[in-house]
Amino acid sequence: DAGITQSPRHKVTETGTPVTLRCHQTENHRYMYWYRQDPGHGLRLIHYSYGVKDTDKGEVSDGYSVSRSKTEDFLLTLESATSSQTSVYFCAISEQGAETQYFGPGTRLLVL
Amino acid sequence: DAKTTQPPSMDCAEGRAANLPCNHSTISGNEYVYWYRQIHSQGPQYIIHGLKNNETNEMASLIITEDRKSSTLILPHATLRDTAVYYCIAYNYGQNFVFGPGTRLSVLP
Repeated sequence: DAGITQSPRHKVTETGTPVTLRCHQTENHRYMYWYRQDPGHGLRLIHYSYGVKDTDKGEVSDGYSVSRSKTEDFLLTLESATSSQTSVYFCAISEQGAETQYFGPGTRLLVL
Repeated sequence: DAKTTQPPSMDCAEGRAANLPCNHSTISGNEYVYWYRQIHSQGPQYIIHGLKNNETNEMASLIITEDRKSSTLILPHATLRDTAVYYCIAYNYGQNFVFGPGTRLSVLP
């Protein structure tokens, strides 16, 4: 498996609180991605990064922000969590944007 | 992006070959066919991909029809651990992966 870890693996939080999820890679891959997975919707891209400090929006970016201050870490922040953001969040990496993506183990987030 | 269609579910007997079909009739010439699978609660796992030619690796074989409108993922000797949701994706470099509902494969003892 590609060297991808996500933290925390599980989190319960309350509506209105900020939440930050971390994705860490040891592969030195340039591209990193955040997806969410919900029943009936498959995986949907939230944001992605194509280098340090270089990020772009995906399909469902509203309510989320990201940051990448170093190659190995990609942070996803929910500034003010809502119940609709209850989901499983997956991070993925690829060596270049045009290559196979490898996924992390996921973070289960419950917003009450 | 080309849309793919897969049967929602399939069963396969343990030890037998599992053949998972995928239709991608609107695929463009530069779109690859990718297969991933997701075992319950885990992150999607890359299996194989191809453009025109059939491909084989240690996990599976990918058979793409000559007109590229459909493909089949073959797991040659399915085991219980192959029970998962399998996703077929038509992927154009420079765009984003689009995961549909996939096929839920149940390998039965």
